[in-house]
Amino acid sequence: QSALTQPASVSGSPGQSITISCTGTSSEFANYNFVSWYQQNPGEAPKLIIYEGTKRPSGVSSRFSGSKSGNTASLTISGLQAEDETDYYCCSFAGSSTWVFGGGTKLTVL
Amino acid sequence: QVQLVESGGGVVQPGRSLRLSCAASGFTLSGYAMHWVRQAPGKGLEWVSIISDDGSNKYHADSVKGRFTISRDNSKNTLYLEMTSLRLEDTAVYYCAREDITNSFAFDYWGQGTLVTVSS
Repeated sequence: QSALTQPASVSGSPGQSITISCTGTSSEFANYNFVSWYQQNPGEAPKLIIYEGTKRPSGVSSRFSGSKSGNTASLTISGLQAEDETDYYCCSFAGSSTWVFGGGTKLTVL
Repeated sequence: QVQLVESGGGVVQPGRSLRLSCAASGFTLSGYAMHWVRQAPGKGLEWVSIISDDGSNKYHADSVKGRFTISRDNSKNTLYLEMTSLRLEDTAVYYCAREDITNSFAFDYWGQGTLVTVSS
């Protein structure tokens, strides 16, 4: 089960936009859009913020958006706020009824 | 409201066994595939297992295959993870998670997690 690659850290100033990338190598990742993104605050469970690559669950801020092109999925956070400073994980269905997560990205709001 | 509550974690010696439970409420468990996901201290998330809504299909990550078994009792609204031959590297917070019913392959609700520490 191959992993997904995320940058270990990204940073941005309040009000700016940042993008977190998530690169996969499997054909399932490239050919399907079953990518989800999770926000995890310290000591808490992950929270779903993007599913099927681009869709936002009810209640998630429109400042969060997702996209995918070929082997790379991306999470963009616009209008960066201090409360966005935490960890973010991508995840994808990897075929054969297995899932795989990225290594996680720590977002710092400067 | 949807709630998932894990229990059964603790300190266990290498080679021993442990069973985790995940009690579901606020929805009908039998309508959903369910997963276990773990997170070693200070590390990222790792998918562990999935069980189909009726329990007929189960799959596990290579790292736990042959040692861990996922199961469910829909009549008790409970998900389980039987862990045997535990290793030091199995130390982690174990989360149960519900798979979104719309076939998006995403996890829409998570429990708060239960900590398993494998130590001699």
